[in-house]
This record gives sequence, structure tokens and C-alpha cells, in this order.
Amino acid sequence: DGGITQSPKYLFRKEGQNVTLSCEQNLNHDAMYWYRQDPGQGLRLIYYSQIVNDFQKGDIAEGYSVSREKKESFPLTVTSAQKNPTAFYLCASSETSGGVTQYFGPGTRLTVL
Amino acid sequence: DAKTTQPPSMDCAEGRAANLPCNHSTISGNEYVYWYRQIHSQGPQYIIHGLKNNETNEMASLIITEDRKSSTLILPHATLRDTAVYYCIVRVAGNQGGKLIFGQGTELSVKP
Repeated sequence: DGGITQSPKYLFRKEGQNVTLSCEQNLNHDAMYWYRQDPGQGLRLIYYSQIVNDFQKGDIAEGYSVSREKKESFPLTVTSAQKNPTAFYLCASSETSGGVTQYFGPGTRLTVL
Repeated sequence: DAKTTQPPSMDCAEGRAANLPCNHSTISGNEYVYWYRQIHSQGPQYIIHGLKNNETNEMASLIITEDRKSSTLILPHATLRDTAVYYCIVRVAGNQGGKLIFGQGTELSVKP
């Protein structure tokens, strides 16, 4: 059963703690993305990776970090430097870096208390 | 990427066709029209895309005007599960970076 998985669906953390969100895909896609969505807003790109061991900053990378050590995995760390971390985080992948058909995971809703 | 304009909300009766319009008057010749939808608290779902010709798949049909300045997504027999925000995105396929720009979209409410 191919697709993108994100875990957990809901995550709670105390202010000042780093937290890592998981994203795994078994679609054999080269490119992966992280977006953030705030209530009533569209998606904003945080980081993207076109290929293993390579990634680039998106529009709102400050306070976040990523790694791409394996093709199927693209974890996102929300650091304590991120001023407003409470949001809905979405991971996506596409066959190539120019692929506009992106497939999204179910999302992780992060709440920082 | 060209800017798109969509109505903020629409209603549709269950079982009827839902026609969602999108204006993209500044579209370039190599830009595709993509449609995604997002059901509340879920990740966006790809629906369909096209360049010039009308397209149909198991989910929907996409009608693009001859001048390509507007398009319509058609859900032929809307169900309650089609209630979602629908996004029209115009983009060049093959662009490095891969960012999708989701605007405000159209909130479609399918009513019994």
C-alpha cells in the first residue's frame, strides 16, 4: 500500500523544547517537501529536498531544520527558535523536483503549550 | 507562476454537478492548471491537471477555455464527502524548487 505517512497525528510539547516530526514515503519519489498551514490560511513551504543528502530552504525556514539521509525519509525538527510553532504540518513528495503533482501525508497537528 | 482567482465559497446539492471556476488571465503558454482539494484537517489531495485540452479522470473533469484564461473543475455527481476547500494552481511543470502556492481556494459545501 503506497503512500506517505506522518506520525503522530497530534503532538503536544512544552515551550522551549525541540520536537521532530516524522515523514516517510514508499512511492520511490526523489523530492520531498514540508509545508506549514495555519488556521484559515494556505500552505507555506518550510524546506524541500530534491534528492538524498540535499535540501533547500523554503519561504519560512527559520526555526526549523531537516535531514534527508534516506530517500524515503524526511524528518522535520521544530526548534525552540521557532517563535510560533503551533500549526498543522504537512509533508509531501513528488516523483521529481519539478513534479507539480505532489502527494501529501495526513499531517501532524503540533501544539506548543 | 500565474495568479489565480477563485470564489471563496459555493454550495451544491448532493447528487448534482459542482462547477468550480478559476480565473488565471496571466497564464503563460507552458503553465499547467492543477486542482487540489483539502478536506478539513487532512492533507491536500491531487485531483486533476491539464494544459490546453479538457481532461477527465475518475474524480473530476477539467474544462479549460480556448484562450486558457479560465478553467472549471466539474464534480459530476457531488456527494457529502466532496465537501472541502478546492485549490486551483497554475504552474510550470519542471520548475526547480517544487513549491506549490495554495491561495485561499473555494470552500465547497455539498448539502443533502
